[in-house]
Formats: sequence, structure tokens, C-alpha cells
Amino acid sequence: EPEVTQTPSHQVTQMGQEVILRCVPISNHLYFYWYRQILGQKVEFLVSFYNNEISEKSEIFDDQFSVERPDGSNFTLKIRSTKLEDSAMYFCASSVGAGLSLADTQYFGPGTRLTVL
Amino acid sequence: AQRVTQPEKLLSVFKGAPVELKCNYSYSGSPELFWYVQYSRQRLQLLLRHISRESIKGFTADLNKGETSFHLKKPFAQEEDSAMYYCALQNTGTASKLTFGTGTRLQVTL
Repeated sequence: EPEVTQTPSHQVTQMGQEVILRCVPISNHLYFYWYRQILGQKVEFLVSFYNNEISEKSEIFDDQFSVERPDGSNFTLKIRSTKLEDSAMYFCASSVGAGLSLADTQYFGPGTRLTVL
Repeated sequence: AQRVTQPEKLLSVFKGAPVELKCNYSYSGSPELFWYVQYSRQRLQLLLRHISRESIKGFTADLNKGETSFHLKKPFAQEEDSAMYYCALQNTGTASKLTFGTGTRLQVTL
């Protein structure tokens, strides 16, 4: 069964550095998402992406964040200048569509743990 | 604003006992509700969703619009049910983003 994959599984970086988190969505999916989970807190929506554009973003997704689909398979989240509070587990998800049918379920990757020192 | 509340951080039950994981939501429209499960060292995966009205691994959940609840139930807990359970909401307008609760850890002991 196809799965969403994410690399790396763990990223350690210094405050102020740029990081790029990578995701490979399921191949026939058209909608892509990033969520994050700070330790001990809830999973929070960051951004959704469709047709090479951001379709929705949360207030967390400020100018320090950007997303890109550089080729036909990867979906990346870039944080330009990391802060201590960016330390979290980042989950990528993908879905066939954005509707409410059973086929539009969001499938999650295993996550990337980002630690900012 | 939409919100999902899971009041219990931890629920510990004996094997064979009934399980009820509580979920309440706040949303002005007509939402779609989900339960996602995360087993140890595994990814978040969909357990069930309201629209499907299925029973998955013996779990069921009924949407109660009057009480704005979507509690997850199973009549007889199994050891392999031990996991983190997240209730989530998706609005029916634009769809897309999921709003999650804080999660409940279910611990099934012998």
C-alpha cells in the first residue's frame, strides 16, 4: 500500500539556520498539507497546497515558512530562520481531493522531529 | 472558530472492559468528524470517520449533534488497542484542514 514518506526523521539545527523538511506524497494525490505537533500539545494545521498554490494557511504559517513542490514528487516545507519555538514534530499529509468523500481522506507521513538548539 | 476537546489525557482500562474515548467539538456549521490513531512508533492513521458509519477494529463512533459529541466506543478492549487516539474535525464548507483535539492515550492492561 502506498504511503507518504518524510525525510529526515530527525533534524537538529541551530537557531537562525534554515531548514528544509521533505515529503513525498502518495503519487496520485493532488492535495498536500503540513501539520506540526509541539511536544505535549495538539497536532496543528500549518498549510494546504493544491495546483502549485497555497490554498489555506494558519496564523502559525508566517513569512518564515514557505512550501514548494519543486518536482513531480517532492513537497517541501522551508523554515528560513529557525527559532527555539519551532522545535516540534512536523507531519506531511496528502489526499486525492479536498472534498468529504471517503476517497478524500488525508494520509499522514511518519513525521520529522525538528530540534532547534 | 472550530475546536475539538478531548477531556482525558489518559484512559486506562482492563482487557475485555468497555472503552469510551470522549470527544466534543465546537463548530457553527455541519462538520465531518474523524478518529485518528497513532500506535507506538507509527504514523497517524485514520481509524474511522463519521461519513463512513463503519465499525473498524470493533470501534464505533456516533455523531451527536445535540451534544456536539463524537465519542469513540468499543465493547471489549484488547491489548493491541493501546495507542494514542485523536479526534479531528473538518469543516464541510471548504474542507481541507483538520482540527485536532489534544489526544487521549488508551492503555489496556491485563
